[in-house]
Amino acid sequence: EAGVAQSPRYKIIEKRQSVAFWCNPISGHATLYWYQQILGQGPKLLIQFQNNGVVDDSQLPKDRFSAERLKGVDSTLKIQPAKLEDSAVYLCASSYPRTSGGGTSSYNEQFFGPGTRLTVL
Amino acid sequence: QQPVQSPQAVILREGEDAVINCSSSKALYSVHWYRQKHGEAPVFLMILLKGGEQKGHDKISASFNEKKQQSSLYLTASQLSYSGTYFCGTERYGGSQGNLIFGKGTKLSVKP
Repeated sequence: EAGVAQSPRYKIIEKRQSVAFWCNPISGHATLYWYQQILGQGPKLLIQFQNNGVVDDSQLPKDRFSAERLKGVDSTLKIQPAKLEDSAVYLCASSYPRTSGGGTSSYNEQFFGPGTRLTVL
Repeated sequence: QQPVQSPQAVILREGEDAVINCSSSKALYSVHWYRQKHGEAPVFLMILLKGGEQKGHDKISASFNEKKQQSSLYLTASQLSYSGTYFCGTERYGGSQGNLIFGKGTKLSVKP
C-alpha cells in the first residue's frame, strides 16, 4: 500500500513570497490533516478535511494560509505572503474516519507523509 | 491545552527500560503515541481509548488513566532502534474526531 505522498520535500523562499505544498493521501482515507511542525516542537494541526469538507480550521492563520481539497482526494496548502516564522516542516497525514459502535475499525490512527521543509529567508 | 510530556529527554543503554508520561488538564477521549526519528515523519505506535486500558506493540506498551487524564508509555529492554522523539497526541471530548493536540515530545537516546 502506498503511503502519503508530499511534494516538494524542500522549499526555500524569501519572505513575502508565496508557496504551495501538495499532498496525496493513502487511497481510501477520507480524512486529511495538515500540520505545522516547528523545530523542537510537536506537530500543530492547521486544518482537517473530511472528504472535501473542512472539519476544523481553527488554528489556520487565514490571513495568509489557505487549503483546499476540491475532489476529496489530494490537497494543496498555500502560504501567501510567507513570513520568517513560517519556517517549519509541513506534514500531511490521512486516516479513515472513526466508525460508530467502537471496535478496532473505529481507531483512526493517522499516517504521516514525509513532510515539506520550508525555509523562509 | 497542550499535554505535558515528561521527561523532556532520556538517555538509556541497550536493554534498559524507560517510562514516558503524558498529562492533560482536559477530559480525554483518546491518547495517541507516535515516534519520530530525526528528519522523518512521525510513525504511529498505538492508541489508548479507555481508562486503564493497556495496549502493546512489541516491547512497547502503554496505559491510560482516565481519572487522572494521564497516559504512560513503557519501553522495556530498549533497542537502538527505539531512539527518536516520542509524542503523545490527545483527543478531547467535544473536539472534532481525530483532532489531536501533540505534546512537545520526549527525546529518547539509546546507546550501545
